[in-house]
Amino acid sequence: QKEVEQNSGPLSVPEGAIASLNCTYSDRGSQSFFWYRQYSGKSPELIMFIYSNGDKEDGRFTAQLNKASQYVSLLIRDSQPSDSATYLCAVITGTASKLTFGTGTRLQVTL
Amino acid sequence: SAVISQKPSRDICQRGTSLTIQCQVDSQVTMMFWYRQQPGQSLTLIATANQGSEATYESGFVIDKFPISRPNLTFSTLTVSNMSPEDSSIYLCSVWGASGNEQFFGPGTRLTVL
Repeated sequence: QKEVEQNSGPLSVPEGAIASLNCTYSDRGSQSFFWYRQYSGKSPELIMFIYSNGDKEDGRFTAQLNKASQYVSLLIRDSQPSDSATYLCAVITGTASKLTFGTGTRLQVTL
Repeated sequence: SAVISQKPSRDICQRGTSLTIQCQVDSQVTMMFWYRQQPGQSLTLIATANQGSEATYESGFVIDKFPISRPNLTFSTLTVSNMSPEDSSIYLCSVWGASGNEQFFGPGTRLTVL
């Protein structure tokens, strides 16, 4: 079982719709969770981090964490073509400050 | 935030040669991380570089193949040794920002091995 799993996609949503990206992790002791966005040919950039169960909102983005079920999700409201990118879920496991990345989900927002 | 630069930005190398990638950060950091991103894949951590001690390598990566230097708190190098086409990848260095809530990435070094 991979430590961090994501559906590779592509996930296609029409402009203005809600995009829902999901991620599951295997280490029940994981405490910190991150969503990165990566445009083709570019480095990853942080969208959000979440540490506590529940929802965390930042503009059009909402991260949801459920530690009991070991999943974290990212909702993108009012999706725009500029949101088309690969979204990487990352988790800190153990005591070292190391990020373990999922394989990423490619999102396509269509006009 | 942290601003990270890498050199070279890209290179094309011959099989059997070595390439050293440089990473410079605009602030002092304890740990620097080296990742590999193979075509169409996610990021895989190669090693953590700590100033004043040997780098810590992840499973599947060894010092003979990926020697790392960390001479001070703002600089690190990663060498890809005795390269083969399987080493063709993007290599990224990263650091945690001062808040500890965000890991910043350099622009990456795109390596092609022929």
